[in-house]
Amino acid sequence: DAGVIQSPRHEVTEMGQEVTLRCKPISGHDYLFWYRQTMMRGLELLIYFNNNVPIDDSGMPEDRFSAKMPNASFSTLKIQPSEPRDSAVYFCASSLAGPPGELFFGEGSRLTVL
Amino acid sequence: DAKTTQPPSMDCAEGRAANLPCNHSTISGNEYVYWYRQIHSQGPQYIIHGLKNNETNEMASLIITEDRKSSTLILPHATLRDTAVYYCIVRALNTGNQFYFGTGTSLTVIP
Repeated sequence: DAGVIQSPRHEVTEMGQEVTLRCKPISGHDYLFWYRQTMMRGLELLIYFNNNVPIDDSGMPEDRFSAKMPNASFSTLKIQPSEPRDSAVYFCASSLAGPPGELFFGEGSRLTVL
Repeated sequence: DAKTTQPPSMDCAEGRAANLPCNHSTISGNEYVYWYRQIHSQGPQYIIHGLKNNETNEMASLIITEDRKSSTLILPHATLRDTAVYYCIVRALNTGNQFYFGTGTSLTVIP
């Protein structure tokens, strides 16, 4: 398996633009997670899905952020409109149900909002 | 989930064992201890997990104290490629599958 695949790897955009980050989880995994990492706040869990259904989105910072998982092999994280404080590395991860349920992370999408 | 406490940074000489401590004094009986590491700019990588017994795999060993209030991750022969941030996480399986990462320990392996 190729692992968790994220795109784009790097995105530079201007404030106010819409940003869409994409994730393909490992085939057969039941869970999908979106994390955000910044120097100030570390690695934060934004939202996670179980069998394509959002379970907990309490980490989503505000209504400008939305995530979908239309099928078992694809998820998107959308920011509209984007702001400079959204600049971060966004990681997608997937897992099977535990135990152990360890996470497998993608390589991340580095977002810069000017 | 129980909180964990880790030293912010550690150094280790190349070829020596790296012993990374983690305190989880409020851990519950159904909570596992997990270790992950994150090499610069990459996604975190699972290392090992345990409940009560000591565990070993090809990457590391996990020593959990008898009262389960602390644990130590051991990298037996540290290499430069082990330089990373190491996260200790405790998690109960019946609270969902999510992991919450703290600030971790930044390990620097010195040549």
